[in-house]
Amino acid sequence: GAGVSQSPRYKVAKRGQDVALRCDPISGHVSLFWYQQALGQGPEFLTYFQNEAQLDKSGLPSDRFFAERPEGSVSTLKIQRTQQEDSAVYLCASSLLAGEIDTQYFGPGTRLTVL
Amino acid sequence: AQTVTQSQPEMSVQEAETVTLSCTYDTSESNYYLFWYKQPPSRQMILVIRQEAYKQQNATENRFSVNFQKAAKSFSLKISDSQLGDTAMYFCAFRNTNAGKSTFGDGTTLTVKP
Repeated sequence: GAGVSQSPRYKVAKRGQDVALRCDPISGHVSLFWYQQALGQGPEFLTYFQNEAQLDKSGLPSDRFFAERPEGSVSTLKIQRTQQEDSAVYLCASSLLAGEIDTQYFGPGTRLTVL
Repeated sequence: AQTVTQSQPEMSVQEAETVTLSCTYDTSESNYYLFWYKQPPSRQMILVIRQEAYKQQNATENRFSVNFQKAAKSFSLKISDSQLGDTAMYFCAFRNTNAGKSTFGDGTTLTVKP
């Protein structure tokens, strides 16, 4: 089947705007992860879902960042009042199992540019 | 907190030669997993190889193998018979056994030259 998809692939926002980034995981995958990847750096963990439950949100940098996965499939990462330091590629990954170390499959990412 | 360090920002290798990418990490945990991921230019990140910390035997996947030194907290990746398609950024990552969070290094850009 299809891999992890993310939309939009590119997003340009003016500082202060709200944005919503979507992740469609592989069908049936229980676990879903969000990462932020700044230019020239490795991904940094933001948050983790197991089905609809957000089990870890320790990586969200501020209360302007909010993620949800209400039906345990599609997830949305929302950033309110965007700032220039939010410019990055946002990666989503999913894995089949929960409670085990399973292969994470990554999406292509959404490149966010805040002007 | 765990940290992952990749000390080689860029490396190059001739096609068909062997190259080794370095990674060190810091943790107080005894059970964990280590990964190498490949991120080709403008393409999705994919898993190359993984190693369970409780296993002494080094993982291998075709041309890719690791040298896991638990006491030294070192986890290097060896690519044999390098191919042009191996050109990519390579990330080393650490994950606790009971955690969702992975910690990544800052990557090594590998260029395979014809």
